[in-house]
Amino acid sequence: KQEVTQIPAALSVPEGENLVLNCSFTDSAIYNLQWFRQDPGKGLTSLLLIQSSQREQTSGRLNASLDKSSGRSTLYIAASQPGDSATYLCAVGTDSNYQLIWGAGTKLIIKP
Amino acid sequence: DVKVTQSSRYLVKRTGEKVFLECVQDMDHENMFWYRQDPGLGLRLIYFSYDVKMKEKGDIPEGYSVSREKKERFSLILESASTNQTSMYLCATTSGGVEETQYFGPGTRLLVL
Repeated sequence: KQEVTQIPAALSVPEGENLVLNCSFTDSAIYNLQWFRQDPGKGLTSLLLIQSSQREQTSGRLNASLDKSSGRSTLYIAASQPGDSATYLCAVGTDSNYQLIWGAGTKLIIKP
Repeated sequence: DVKVTQSSRYLVKRTGEKVFLECVQDMDHENMFWYRQDPGLGLRLIYFSYDVKMKEKGDIPEGYSVSREKKERFSLILESASTNQTSMYLCATTSGGVEETQYFGPGTRLLVL
């Protein structure tokens, strides 16, 4: 059974630093992997989607990588800003049609 | 832009009450989902629907039912609310399967007393 883990559960860094968030999964037979952002008390917003055939995706200051063989994905945030403070969740698409398997998220705090 | 709305942001109900949570999307998406989110557990799928009047159980369907009478509207029903159903409930939609991203509503925070 696929399991998705995000460590650490919380992270606090000073503004301006580059940082990496981690996502690991137990079964390498994935269809894709997505990163989402959730602001406090709000729904989720999709950030990046990496297909299983891809190694990385970039959007602005965000870069997500995927290493299926090691069961890992990272979300790199460059030059962090206080507005990046949120919970970041990763989700793995399996070969079932609709279901995503979710990590519990990493709560990121960027200190001004 | 896809817009997904949920009928309530906050809801307080008493044990045993019947609770309706409604989700409406404006993008003609085929697939709609109901999740609950609890601290430390991530999102867990309750039910999803891939067409009008069609539904599939997710990982935790017990104590819940759903209704999809129109394509744009997907309702989650708690037949007899219990305190362990206190949670954040999130609705999502997508135009395809897992190859497409999911679009989320703002969530409903439900407290059952």
